[in-house]
Amino acid sequence: GEDVEQSLFLSVREGDSSVINCTYTDSSSTYLYWYKQEPGAGLQLLTYIFSNMDMKQDQRLTVLLNKKDKHLSLRIADTQTGDSAIYFCAEKAAGNKLTFGGGTRVLVKP
Amino acid sequence: DSGVTQTPKHLITATGQRVTLRCSPRSGDLSVYWYQQSLDQGLQFLIQYYNGEERAKGNILERFSAQQFPDLHSELNLSSLELGDSALYFCASSVVSGMGETQYFGPGTRLLVL
Repeated sequence: GEDVEQSLFLSVREGDSSVINCTYTDSSSTYLYWYKQEPGAGLQLLTYIFSNMDMKQDQRLTVLLNKKDKHLSLRIADTQTGDSAIYFCAEKAAGNKLTFGGGTRVLVKP
Repeated sequence: DSGVTQTPKHLITATGQRVTLRCSPRSGDLSVYWYQQSLDQGLQFLIQYYNGEERAKGNILERFSAQQFPDLHSELNLSSLELGDSALYFCASSVVSGMGETQYFGPGTRLLVL
């Protein structure tokens, strides 16, 4: 079945690293995504990882995938106040639809 | 800016009414997806169209319907509206590349049913 879980809230100090975690249940997932949603805005694609990779780095973002444990994480280096938002992980399994987690609200304190 | 446009941005209506939400995909994208984001249900996939034809269906109520037109824009029709239909409705269009399919989301239509 499909179920994507995320912690609800993360507070981090500006300049520190943030790590947002996600677990999924569908082992047939082909791609896993991270989206960012700022208040009143739509979903912005941040990055994605193919299921046969275990790490992907894109500037300040690092995605780690543990396929055995069905665990995905997003690390944001040098977190800035502009990184305050809700972060959604999503998996793509059967068909092309995305199944989203409930979102993690990240609050960056100065 | 993802290149996906949605209108209207906000919509306020009454229970029992019918509304139409519109989505224009990114240039060249053939697939359009509709999602509903509500406080209690989170982000849920509703329906997908590909080049004018329905491709996949998710948790879409029978009171809701969608279509994709020859120019690839899509409309989501919501009828007999209930208070619980109040939500953000997103459409996304997708591009297929060597790395697979990526969905780009529009800014959403915020629907408030009173």
